[in-house]
Amino acid sequence: DSGVTQTPKHLITATGQRVTLRCSPRSGDLSVYWYQQSLDQGLQFLIQYYNGEERAKGNILERFSAQQFPDLHSELNLSSLELGDSALYFCASSVLQGYGYTFGSGTRLTVV
Amino acid sequence: KNEVEQSPQNLTAQEGEFITINCSYSVGISALHWLQQHPGGGIVSLFMLSSGKKKHGRLIATINIQEKHSSLHITASHPRDSAVYICAAINTDKLIFGTGTRLQVFP
Repeated sequence: DSGVTQTPKHLITATGQRVTLRCSPRSGDLSVYWYQQSLDQGLQFLIQYYNGEERAKGNILERFSAQQFPDLHSELNLSSLELGDSALYFCASSVLQGYGYTFGSGTRLTVV
Repeated sequence: KNEVEQSPQNLTAQEGEFITINCSYSVGISALHWLQQHPGGGIVSLFMLSSGKKKHGRLIATINIQEKHSSLHITASHPRDSAVYICAAINTDKLIFGTGTRLQVFP
């Protein structure tokens, strides 16, 4: 157990639907990062939050949004899902920006 | 051209062989991560380094900041080392990933 908890582990949903992925960072870590890993794109940075505030944005689609709550857990919301959104979604946390990343085990999303 | 390049893409080895995986980057970095991803998908951080060399068990990571190059070495490789190894450059607030090296070690 890395200390970063992601739920659910697997998710199967239909096109056009909306899902929410959840991440609880390692105790004491203030930064949460979301990454997408698809077969043809490798790992891509989506978005980072630090202590509740958005800190950096990567290749995140407008249909996707995220937030970090006061208890530091984070949620990634994916809407109007398309087949191409099928991927592994990883969350990582770190105590300081750019220092000591810990990854969760990922959520495997399948859009059918 | 990707900002972080890894080579080789695929690597097969016999148990006991010395393995080297290379990573070159073109962006400014504060540090570089080496990650291991097993077939189940989970990602483990092996090293984070900003200079010199780090060693953990049979794994050694080196970085040359001037040449923008890092290497991951595995000594006395074992079938359980079979995984995808990914280098990731820490650039301001985010990680920029290489495409990964798939390593298979056969008994």
